[in-house]
Parts: sequence; C-alpha cells; structure tokens
Amino acid sequence: KAGVTQTPRYLIKTRGQQVTLSCSPISGHRSVSWYQQTPGQGLQFLFEYFSETQRNKGNFPGRFSGRQFSNSRSEMNVSTLELGDSALYLCASSLEQGYYEQYFGPGTRLTVT
Amino acid sequence: QKEVEQNSGPLSVPEGAIASLNCTYSDRGSQSFFWYRQYSGKSPELIMSIYSNGDKEDGRFTAQLNKASQYVSLLIRDSQPSDSATYLCAVHTVNQGGKLIFGQGTELSVKP
Repeated sequence: KAGVTQTPRYLIKTRGQQVTLSCSPISGHRSVSWYQQTPGQGLQFLFEYFSETQRNKGNFPGRFSGRQFSNSRSEMNVSTLELGDSALYLCASSLEQGYYEQYFGPGTRLTVT
Repeated sequence: QKEVEQNSGPLSVPEGAIASLNCTYSDRGSQSFFWYRQYSGKSPELIMSIYSNGDKEDGRFTAQLNKASQYVSLLIRDSQPSDSATYLCAVHTVNQGGKLIFGQGTELSVKP
C-alpha cells in the first residue's frame, strides 16, 4: 500500500505571500491531521479533518486553514506568511476519526524569507 | 506543566545495551499512547502503540504503560547504531476535544 504523500516537498516563499500544501492519505484512510514541526516548539497540532469536516483545531491563528475533499485528500493554506511560519509541515493519516494510529507523510519544508 | 514530557536527552548508550526512554503525561483520562521514531531530516515513523496497563513487546521494542502513575516508557533491547534517532512520545488527550499531543522528543545515540 502506498504511504502518505505530500506535495510539494520544498517551498520557498516571501513574507506576505500565501501557500497551499497538499496531502494524499493512505488508501482507505479517511482522517487527515496536519502538524507543524519546528526545532523550538516541536510537533504541534494544526487541525484534523474527517469526512470533509474539520473535527479538531490547534492553537494557531486564522491564517492557517485547511480543507478535505471527498476522496479524503487534504490541503492546508497559510495566508500572509510570516518568517515564523518557516517549518516542516507534516500530514498524517489514520483509518477513522478517533483512531489515533497516525502515519506521517514525508512533509513539506517551507522557508519564508 | 507540559501535557506530555520526555527526558530532554541526548541519551547515549553503547551498542548492545538497553535504551530506556521515558514519558509522562498530564491528562489522566488519556487512553492511547504511541512511540514514534524520527531520523534526522525525516518524518516520524510509528513504532509502537499501547492502550492497556502493562508491557507490550514487538521485536526488540517494549512499551510499558502505567496509567495510575501517568507514565509510559519504551525499552530498546540490543541497541544498534541504526536505532540512533529522536523518539517521540504521543498521547491521545481526552481534554481539549481529543488531540494527539507529542512530547519534545528524546535524542538517542547508540555508540558502536
């Protein structure tokens, strides 16, 4: 079975721009979660989607948003980028909502200059 | 108090030794616990999950859970240099609507 895929793998943007990251979960997995990983803060939960609905949200500003499509693929968007948004953005999929064995994709490395 | 706390590390053990990684959590209602391994420059990889008090063994890995003490640990027997990585403890919290909360991770170095 193919794993979680994320595109793009690397991205360089300038302050004020916006960015959209994409995630395709493992086939059959219906829940997708997004995380931000930085050396200082570690892995922090952004949000979780299941059945095209946001089920849970972390403590991030409204500039961070996401959505899920009917095929379970998910996108996250960050608007008005700030230097502090530079991080590794990880997507994880799990079978169902509340089934917390999550499997991570390779991540998207975002650099904001 | 952080929701999930791990030994800050780095932890250095000789090849063949047992590595012991520890994690405590604050949400007493938590029911699901996970260990992830993350190699430098890579994404986290799920290596163990545990849901009941006691030990769970998988190859060289043993996860131990004590809900009364709010403590979960990971033992790696016969440590190999390839085990050198950061190990992340993750806890499914009941509070705050239920999320998977990660500790800061413990860096393990296995010396040949």
